Amino acid sequence: RKEVEQDPGPFNVPEGATVAFNCTYSNSASQSFFWYRQDCRKEPKLLMSVYSSGNEDGRFTAQLNRASQYISLLIRDSKLSDSATYLCVVNIYGNQFYFGTGTSLTVIP
Amino acid sequence: DAGVIQSPRHEVTEMGQEVTLRCKPISGHNSLFWYRQTMMRGLELLIYFNNNVPIDDSGMPEDRFSAKMPNASFSTLKIQPSEPRDSAVYFCASSRLRAREAGADNEQFFGPGTRLTVL
Repeated sequence: RKEVEQDPGPFNVPEGATVAFNCTYSNSASQSFFWYRQDCRKEPKLLMSVYSSGNEDGRFTAQLNRASQYISLLIRDSKLSDSATYLCVVNIYGNQFYFGTGTSLTVIP
Repeated sequence: DAGVIQSPRHEVTEMGQEVTLRCKPISGHNSLFWYRQTMMRGLELLIYFNNNVPIDDSGMPEDRFSAKMPNASFSTLKIQPSEPRDSAVYFCASSRLRAREAGADNEQFFGPGTRLTVL
């Protein structure tokens, strides 16, 4: 079983729509969680960390559900520039990082 | 800060040839990671170093792959001999591991990657 599982999509949504991605993890000892964004033919970059209480950064909201072992990313008022692949990342211990395979988002004008 | 630097950015080689990928981590970072990314398998961790010491190389696919970190500012990933199935984008990333515990500070910064094609 993979450490991190994501729906690969693709998600195709119109501009202004709200879209949500989920990601499940298998190791209950996981301590830290992140969402990374990867543009086509570029490197992954940190979008936001995910805190236990949930956190928001502008149009982006991240949630953590430890009981069900999943994290989510909500994007409100989608922009064309949000088109990218979103990678879920779980940090179990020190440098033990596991990346999901990514969810592809295309925002359509 | 220049960020993580990788070279070459693109490499095309023939099966059986030796390939060496290079990485310069961000100054002050004490952890370095090598990843491989393909469409089929996503981002896979190959090996990571902490304070120049290899900690986990369980992701290295086979003996054809080797990695070194002779000092805090340089690392190499070598494939010898290369095969067509090694074709992928290879990323190097670095982080400043503040403690052995996982934490939100353990952000990884990725280099631009090396796009490897083995014919």
